[in-house]
Amino acid sequence: EAQVTQNPRYLITVTGKKLTVTCSQNMNHEYMSWYRQDPGLGLRQIYYSMNVEVTDKGDVPEGYKVSRKEKRNFPLILESPSPNQTSLYFCASSPRTGKFTTNYGYTFGSGTRLTVV
Amino acid sequence: AQTVTQSQPEMSVQEAETVTLSCTYDTSESDYYLFWYKQPPSRQMILVIRQEAYKQQNATENRFSVNFQKAAKSFSLKISDSQLGDAAMYFCAYRYNAGNMLTFGGGTRLMVKP
Repeated sequence: EAQVTQNPRYLITVTGKKLTVTCSQNMNHEYMSWYRQDPGLGLRQIYYSMNVEVTDKGDVPEGYKVSRKEKRNFPLILESPSPNQTSLYFCASSPRTGKFTTNYGYTFGSGTRLTVV
Repeated sequence: AQTVTQSQPEMSVQEAETVTLSCTYDTSESDYYLFWYKQPPSRQMILVIRQEAYKQQNATENRFSVNFQKAAKSFSLKISDSQLGDAAMYFCAYRYNAGNMLTFGGGTRLMVKP
């Protein structure tokens, strides 16, 4: 089954304790992204990657790191989590888009509810 | 920068009735796509319908259809014959065709009354 798998589904941690949320896709997609969802704000992009070893900042990158060493994996790292990073996080992937391709949007993982106390 | 606005934080509809969710967006691009995503309590993001900006014909998927007004930059979602399973958060989203980012509106929570 074509899917984006992210883990864990729920995570409670303390301020300052480094954590990693994993994301993997099995569709051979070039593009991968991380979003955070907060009430009234919709989803906002944290970081994205257009291919292996190519990553860039989205709208809200502060406090986050990513890496793309393999095409299928795109982990999100919080080096020193703070309470304002309490949120619902989504990983998503998409095929490359462009003038001669069909844009099907992103396929999303099932989300990670992170609470930082 | 592109922006997407959903002006209705909450809507309700009677089962079997029709409801329309509003979305407006702002962009200077001409080649883009628009999407509606559904997020049920399971929080999975489910693609409901998409619209290519270069197509004048409004997209339709079963009970879901859109009213795409390119000049007005409006992209509303109509749900016909509403069902209890339609209760969810609905997000409107924009993507420039050569870009990577989906820009989302703030969402509309739809409640369906039996």
